[in-house]
Amino acid sequence: QVQLVESGGGLVKPGGSLRLSCAASGFSFTDYYMTWIRQAPGKGLEWLSFISSSGATIYYADSVKGRFTISRDNAKNSLFLEMNSLRAEDTAVYYCARKPPTDAFDIWGQGTMVTVSS
Amino acid sequence: IVLTQSPGTLPLSPGDRATLSCRASQSVSSSYLAWYQQKPGQAPRLLIYGASSRATGIPDRFSGSGSGTDFTLTISRLEPEDFAVYYCQQYGSSPLTFGGGTKVENK
Repeated sequence: QVQLVESGGGLVKPGGSLRLSCAASGFSFTDYYMTWIRQAPGKGLEWLSFISSSGATIYYADSVKGRFTISRDNAKNSLFLEMNSLRAEDTAVYYCARKPPTDAFDIWGQGTMVTVSS
Repeated sequence: IVLTQSPGTLPLSPGDRATLSCRASQSVSSSYLAWYQQKPGQAPRLLIYGASSRATGIPDRFSGSGSGTDFTLTISRLEPEDFAVYYCQQYGSSPLTFGGGTKVENK
């Protein structure tokens, strides 16, 4: 079945780095844009970044531009989020989601928790 | 584009009609407006895309309408499983943005 599974979350100190992964299965990965969204504890949803099917087009939210890097490996059906210079306010559940090129986020992973604390 | 959802909380009973509002600070291009449902401890689920198209498997008691800057999600008759938080999102221009959410709670 169509599935997205995130991994790589955990506890990291302020200023540290973490790399999240999202493994896709059950669909043609190269047909879709992919995106990352996060949700701080008790808060709403915040879009972070998306990457086009080929990886040629990438957008970031201002809150993570210059600190986070999105990438994908189409041969391995995988999406990544490299997070650097982490701050306490980056503490959140991080979701990956599938995005048809001209449509909304139709499939979401279960999320991975990132906690930034000393 | 800033999306403002109202009300913040909507206390209703099963069988009631729910009307949720999402107002954009500027026109949402090509009606690229979506609605998501999120239950505690779960990932969001796409309900509506393109302002009024139901996603796969979504019951027809959920409907979306609107264009430009004013959008509405209507749940015709609330079922017990519909009590959740609902978010609108615009995906027509970067940065993509979500509204703050409306919690539909069981009165």
